[in-house]
Amino acid sequence: NAGVTQTPKFQVLKTGQSMTLQCAQDMNHEYMSWYRQDPGMGLRLIHYSVGAGITDQGEVPNGYNVSRSTTEDFPLRLLSAAPSQTSVYFCASSGTRGEKLFFGSGTQLSVL
Amino acid sequence: TQLLEQSPQFLSIQEGENLTVYCNSSSVFSSLQWYRQEPGEGPVLLVTVVTGGEVKKLKRLTFQFGDARKDSSLHITAAQPGDTGLYLCAGAAFYDMRFGAGTRLTVKP
Repeated sequence: NAGVTQTPKFQVLKTGQSMTLQCAQDMNHEYMSWYRQDPGMGLRLIHYSVGAGITDQGEVPNGYNVSRSTTEDFPLRLLSAAPSQTSVYFCASSGTRGEKLFFGSGTQLSVL
Repeated sequence: TQLLEQSPQFLSIQEGENLTVYCNSSSVFSSLQWYRQEPGEGPVLLVTVVTGGEVKKLKRLTFQFGDARKDSSLHITAAQPGDTGLYLCAGAAFYDMRFGAGTRLTVKP
């Protein structure tokens, strides 16, 4: 099984550019989420979804948009990249909220 | 301010030593999870503790959930180089999982 697949693995953007980080899972999980990981700050929740068509904000949502048109896919959009968004981004999924999280391998994003 | 405080932040020990890392909060959690993360990879779940006072063992790793469900500890016996990694605790709170900043463990051969 592929589990949770994230693309790209690495990305460099210029300030003001937009891009979409892709996330797909093949476990038929209802719950999906996006985290960012910064040194000394652990994983912080950006947005989450409890099912197709339902999304909500997490701890640090500003500057990011999400949509959930299918159970499998949960893309994260950066509208206008800023240097403060330089981070490692992880997508995760679980059967239901609060259960074991399955993580993708991450996207390392640099905004210059 | 982190909802979950982990200590120590860094730990470097020799192979064969024992160690304990801690995860503390002022909030009560319905469950608490421990993950291990290796460089370039996402975290992988080690264990979930649910009941206050619960102790779970996973080979050389012992996890304990505090009686008040606000804190947890991870004890490793006879650490090996393969235990090297970032250990993260996460608590189920409200609508999401909240993570601590982690303990970065290095076990030297």
